[in-house]
Amino acid sequence: GQNIDQPTEMTATEGAIVQINCTYQTSGFNGLFWYQQHAGEAPTFLSYNVLDGLEEKGRFSSFLSRSKGYSYLLLKELQMKDSASYLCAVRDGGSQGNLIFGKGTKLSVKP
Amino acid sequence: NAGVTQTPKFRVLKTGQSMTLLCAQDMNHEYMYWYRQDPGMGLRLIHYSVGEGTTAKGEVPDGYNVSRLKKQNFLLGLESAAPSQTSVYFCASSYRRRGGLAADTQYFGPGTRLTVL
Repeated sequence: GQNIDQPTEMTATEGAIVQINCTYQTSGFNGLFWYQQHAGEAPTFLSYNVLDGLEEKGRFSSFLSRSKGYSYLLLKELQMKDSASYLCAVRDGGSQGNLIFGKGTKLSVKP
Repeated sequence: NAGVTQTPKFRVLKTGQSMTLLCAQDMNHEYMYWYRQDPGMGLRLIHYSVGEGTTAKGEVPDGYNVSRLKKQNFLLGLESAAPSQTSVYFCASSYRRRGGLAADTQYFGPGTRLTVL
C-alpha cells in the first residue's frame, strides 16, 4: 500500500531551527517533493529530492534517504511568516508519476 | 502570467444540485490535476489529464466527472452534489515528465471552497 507519515503539528520559536520528518512506504519511488501551504491558500513548491542527500535552498534544506524511506525538511532562522503547513509528497513509480501527499505538518512559529 | 486560476472561489450547493468548477492555466502545461483537501486527510487526487482530450481516474473519482477539451482548461463536474463532497478543491498543472529525474513541479490554483448542504 501507499503510506506517507509526517507529524501533525509542531511548534518552534522565531530564530530557531526546526526539522520536519517524513517517512514513506510506496509501491514505487520517483522523487519526493515538499510544499508549503499557508492557511486558506494554495500549496507552493519548496523543494525536490530524487537522489540521496541534502538539497539546500536559502533557509530551507531537504534531505532524502531512499533506503530508509525517509526525508526531512530543515528550516533555519525561523520567521513568523514560516507558520504554515508543510506537505510531503512522493511521486510514485507508475507511468503517470502522480503525487501521493502526506497529511501535512502544521508548524506554528512563536515569538 | 496568471498561472493557474480557478472559478468560482466559493460556492454553496444543495444536495442534488450540479455544478462545474473551471480551471485554467497559461503556462502551456501538458498535465492537469484535480485534488480535494479535507481536514486530516491531506490532498487526494480526483482525476487528472495527460493532454488535451484525455482524462484518467485518480484516487477518489466517484461522484465527479472531468473534461479537457482545450489544453489550457480542465473542468470538474459534480452531477448530483452530496454533503460528502464538501471540501476545498485544488487544480494543479505541470509539464510532461521528461524522464525519471525530471522535477516536474505541480503548480496549484487558489482553490474553490465548496459547501454542500
